[in-house]
Amino acid sequence: KNEVEQSPQNLTAQEGEFITINCSYSVGISALHWLQQHPGGGIVSLFMLSSGKKKHGRLIATINIQEKHSSLHITASHPRDSAVYICAVHSGGGADGLTFGKGTHLIIQP
Amino acid sequence: DAGITQSPRHKVTETGTPVTLRCHQTENHRYMYWYRQDPGHGLRLIHYSYGVKDTDKGEVSDGYSVSRSKTEDFLLTLESATSSQTSVYFCAIRDSIAGANVLTFGAGSRLTVL
Repeated sequence: KNEVEQSPQNLTAQEGEFITINCSYSVGISALHWLQQHPGGGIVSLFMLSSGKKKHGRLIATINIQEKHSSLHITASHPRDSAVYICAVHSGGGADGLTFGKGTHLIIQP
Repeated sequence: DAGITQSPRHKVTETGTPVTLRCHQTENHRYMYWYRQDPGHGLRLIHYSYGVKDTDKGEVSDGYSVSRSKTEDFLLTLESATSSQTSVYFCAIRDSIAGANVLTFGAGSRLTVL
């Protein structure tokens, strides 16, 4: 079973700061997902990537397959970015092949 | 929008009572999943389905059963609810786009077992 570790577990920052959330996993994967969950809300898929880098607005996701590591960056952070960010890896094993991290709780203060 | 809805969104029940959560999708996706989300844990798979009447267990299936009698509905049943089953339950569907797996989650069902 793949082990997925996210860091930090909790992060509080000021509006406008550059944010980095990290995800490390233990075995090879076919894809990695970044998910966002607002307080009391549902879960939204932000990115799915298997190599390189993807960008959507102020969000950037990168992955280094050799190092088994991915990062999610938020530029010019805003209070509406406050949410839990979840990393999930698809390694092909298990019923759905997915292993989820425990999430990073991000708070952006105005 | 994958058109996935969960019901009920909130439920409070007593220990020992049966509970059924419903997941409904409108786009004919084959794969459907039920997860539970608890503090200190990542999302954990309860059961999944890969087609009508084809279901299988996930990592935390004890105390839960599922049914899928038609493509659009995936039901999760707690035959006799226990306090340890207090959780937020998420349904998800998997879609393959350009050979890649895309996940879409429902809004969640918050269950409290007293």
